[in-house]
Amino acid sequence: DAGVTQSPTHLIKTRGQQVTLRCSPKSGHDTVSWYQQALGQGPQFIFQYYEEEERQRGNFPDRFSGHQFPNYSSELNVNALLLGDSALYLCASSSILTDIQYFGAGTRLSVL
Amino acid sequence: DAKTTQPPSMDCAEGRAANLPCNHSTISGNEYVYWYRQIHSQGPQYIIHGLKNNETNEMASLIITEDRKSSTLILPHATLRDTAVYYCIVKLYGNKLVFGAGTILRVKS
Repeated sequence: DAGVTQSPTHLIKTRGQQVTLRCSPKSGHDTVSWYQQALGQGPQFIFQYYEEEERQRGNFPDRFSGHQFPNYSSELNVNALLLGDSALYLCASSSILTDIQYFGAGTRLSVL
Repeated sequence: DAKTTQPPSMDCAEGRAANLPCNHSTISGNEYVYWYRQIHSQGPQYIIHGLKNNETNEMASLIITEDRKSSTLILPHATLRDTAVYYCIVKLYGNKLVFGAGTILRVKS
């Protein structure tokens, strides 16, 4: 049983570009949450998707958007990249029944 | 903001029990206590969670005080691989995880 998988593992972009990160949830999970972790800090909640709808959102600008597909996988899109968007982006999946979030290994985004 | 207070760092001898404290004095009656850990550059790993009663699984034990204002995570026989940042998180069912600074646990041989 595969756990939460994220792609790509590393990514380098330049300021102003757009990026899409992908997440496949653990088997049996229907909820996907995204977190941003800057170097030396704890993860910060971006948003959560359930039944293809954004259910909760953290304090992130509209440049951060997402999507959940019918197979429960999810994408995180960031537009107009800033240097400060450089971080580890973590995806976590959970079941609405058990509410234990399991994390993927993350995507390391560097914005130059 | 995180609703928990943890010591910034702790040391533990290999093979001994590691006891990690967490204060959550403003916890409400329907909020759960979750523990995660993060080994350098990896995604956070779920350890254990509880509401009122003490809990134990294959990784750890969670002791919650009767007034629920504090808890302790116990790793019964710490190994070098348990060196990580440990996060104590209080949250409502279905809500987001709010991570604080956590406790850096260093297990030493």
